[in-house]
Amino acid sequence: DSGVTQTPKHLITATGQRVTLRCSPRSGDLSVYWYQQSLDQGLQFLIHYYNGEERAKGNILERFSAQQFPDLHSELNLSSLELGDSALYFCASSVAPAGKHNEQFFGPGTRLTVL
Amino acid sequence: DAKTTQPTSMDCAEGRAANLPCNHSTISGNEYVYWYRQIHSQGPQYIIHGLKNNETNEMASLIITEDRKSSTLILPHATLRDTAVYYCIVIRGGADGLTFGKGTHLIIQP
Repeated sequence: DSGVTQTPKHLITATGQRVTLRCSPRSGDLSVYWYQQSLDQGLQFLIHYYNGEERAKGNILERFSAQQFPDLHSELNLSSLELGDSALYFCASSVAPAGKHNEQFFGPGTRLTVL
Repeated sequence: DAKTTQPTSMDCAEGRAANLPCNHSTISGNEYVYWYRQIHSQGPQYIIHGLKNNETNEMASLIITEDRKSSTLILPHATLRDTAVYYCIVIRGGADGLTFGKGTHLIIQP
């Protein structure tokens, strides 16, 4: 158990819909990262938040957005969903400021299925 | 970030040491070598990292060559639960998200 929690575990929805994935980092961790893992693309970094502020963007689509709240939990919003958005979405947290170390602790993931 | 090359898959007998190689010949002086693993569909798990010295923790040892162009992750006494995809990632100290390649699928045989 990494200490990072993600909800829900599974999500099934239809094309065109919008969903929100939630992540609670380990106690004391200020950085939250979001990753997407699909069969054809592998594990890809989406976005990084540190203490409520966006720090870096990876391969995140414009239809996707994220935020980190004052209590440090984060939400990833996916809208206008397409079949290709079906994937595992992982959240990770780390204690250090952005870039100092990359020892990231991953949650169990949310499996999104778009029908 | 430097690119890494790892074998696609490896087998190891249970109880033996598993040695996973990684080539990172274009690594820069301020780049670290990190290892993560992912057990089927679970979240990736941090194993170990190093800059130039060899490192050891409760999970594994990391041996980095003197020229830093390659490294080896050693699991000293592999168990069936070590069957996973192992990722070698090279990343500079000021970077953000991790770039995962295809990794090595390590299969521990009973």
